[in-house]
Amino acid sequence: DGGITQSPKYLFRKEGQNVTLSCEQNLNHDAMYWYRQDPGQGLRLIYYSQIVNDFQKGDIAEGYSVSREKKESFPLTVTSAQKNPTAFYLCASSRDRGQNTEAFFGQGTRLTVV
Amino acid sequence: LAKTTQPISMDSYEGQEVNITCSHNNIATNDYITWYQQFPSQGPRFIIQGYKTKVTNEVASLFIPADRKSSTLSLPRVSLSDTAVYYCLVGPHSGGGADGLTFGKGTHLIIQP
Repeated sequence: DGGITQSPKYLFRKEGQNVTLSCEQNLNHDAMYWYRQDPGQGLRLIYYSQIVNDFQKGDIAEGYSVSREKKESFPLTVTSAQKNPTAFYLCASSRDRGQNTEAFFGQGTRLTVV
Repeated sequence: LAKTTQPISMDSYEGQEVNITCSHNNIATNDYITWYQQFPSQGPRFIIQGYKTKVTNEVASLFIPADRKSSTLSLPRVSLSDTAVYYCLVGPHSGGGADGLTFGKGTHLIIQP
């Protein structure tokens, strides 16, 4: 089945540690995105990538880093510089930036920092 | 970037038709209107997309008036499983601005028995 996979579903880390969230898609999509969602809130864009080896900051990029070495993979690292890392993280992909391209989301990773 | 405004929450009952309206007064000529559905602890799911007039698929209809300054998502005969958050997005992309998908807080729809 084609789709977008995030792992792990739940993640616990100690304060001050970096942690990397995985996002893989086999839809052959060019564009990939990372969002953060806090309780009762909408999705806020962290980073996005329109093509391999290229990515842009979203609205809340501080304390996060990404890479896009392969078309199918877009890992997100939550660094120790992120002041409030506990949140629900969502990865998405879409075919391209053109019109009428539906976005597909993963099931999310819930990160808890203690 | 066209900003959207939609109700924070709505209530309805099983078997009813539910209409959720989204305002987007500064929609651009090349913008599309897209709706997503999100269940708790899951990623959003694409429901429907349109440019003008009416679009219908197996789960919903989307009504867009001639001036395109608003749109209405219509869910026929809702069930308890339609309880979710519904997001309205506007942009030249599938879901938002030119450089990404921009989500607001959405409308929390609660369906009661």
